[in-house]
Amino acid sequence: KQEVTQIPAALSVPEGENLVLNCSFTDSAIYNLQWFRQDPGKGLTSLLLIQSSQREQTSGRLNASLDKSSGRSTLYIAASQPGDSATYLCAVREYSGAGSYQLTFGKGTKLSVIP
Amino acid sequence: DAGITQSPRHKVTETGTPVTLRCHQTENHRYMYWYRQDPGHGLRLIHYSYGVKDTDKGEVSDGYSVSRSKTEDFLLTLESATSSQTSVYFCAIRDRGLNTEAFFGQGTRLTVV
Repeated sequence: KQEVTQIPAALSVPEGENLVLNCSFTDSAIYNLQWFRQDPGKGLTSLLLIQSSQREQTSGRLNASLDKSSGRSTLYIAASQPGDSATYLCAVREYSGAGSYQLTFGKGTKLSVIP
Repeated sequence: DAGITQSPRHKVTETGTPVTLRCHQTENHRYMYWYRQDPGHGLRLIHYSYGVKDTDKGEVSDGYSVSRSKTEDFLLTLESATSSQTSVYFCAIRDRGLNTEAFFGQGTRLTVV
C-alpha cells in the first residue's frame, strides 16, 4: 500500500527566507504528484501538478521537483511571505485497480512565516 | 477558482439519523470524489464517481453511500450517522485525462452528537 510522508509536520521560518518542503512516497509507480495548500477552515488549493515524466514544475515563487525513482518530491518556496502560512499537502496519483487512478495524500507540513 | 459548491457548510446531527451532503460543480468535469479529513489520518477517499450513475468505493466507504444522477451533482449519504463520522468532508472534481488536476470544495464540517 502506498504511503506518503511529509517531514517535518510543522515548520516556522522568518519572512524572506527560502524554504523547502519534503514529500516522500513508498511506491514509485505513480502517474503524477500534486501539491496543495490548505488554509485553516478552508478547502485545498491546487498549487502544482508534476507528471511522472517531468522533473520540475514552476509557478511564480514555487518550484516543485520530482525524483520518481527515489520516491521524493520537494516544494521550494522563494522569498517566503506571511501570506504563505498554511498547511502544504502532497498527493500522488497511482493506479488503484479496475481502471481507477486515485490520490494518496500525505498528512501535510504546517508552515508559519514569521513577519 | 473551480466552480465547486458544497452544502451545507456546517451541520450538527444526532446519532442514528440519516444525513446527505451535496456537491455541485459547474465545470462539467467527469470525475467527482468525496473525502474525509481527520486529525492524524489526513485525507481519505470515501467514494468516487467516474460518470453519471457510475460510482465506486474508496478506502473508507463503510456507512456511506453516494449517488450521481446528473453530471453536476454528487451526493454523499450517511445512512445512520455515528460519532465516528464526525469529520470534515471534502468534495473534489477532476477533468478527463490522467494528468489533470484535482480541485476541491470548501468542505462541510459535520458533527454527530
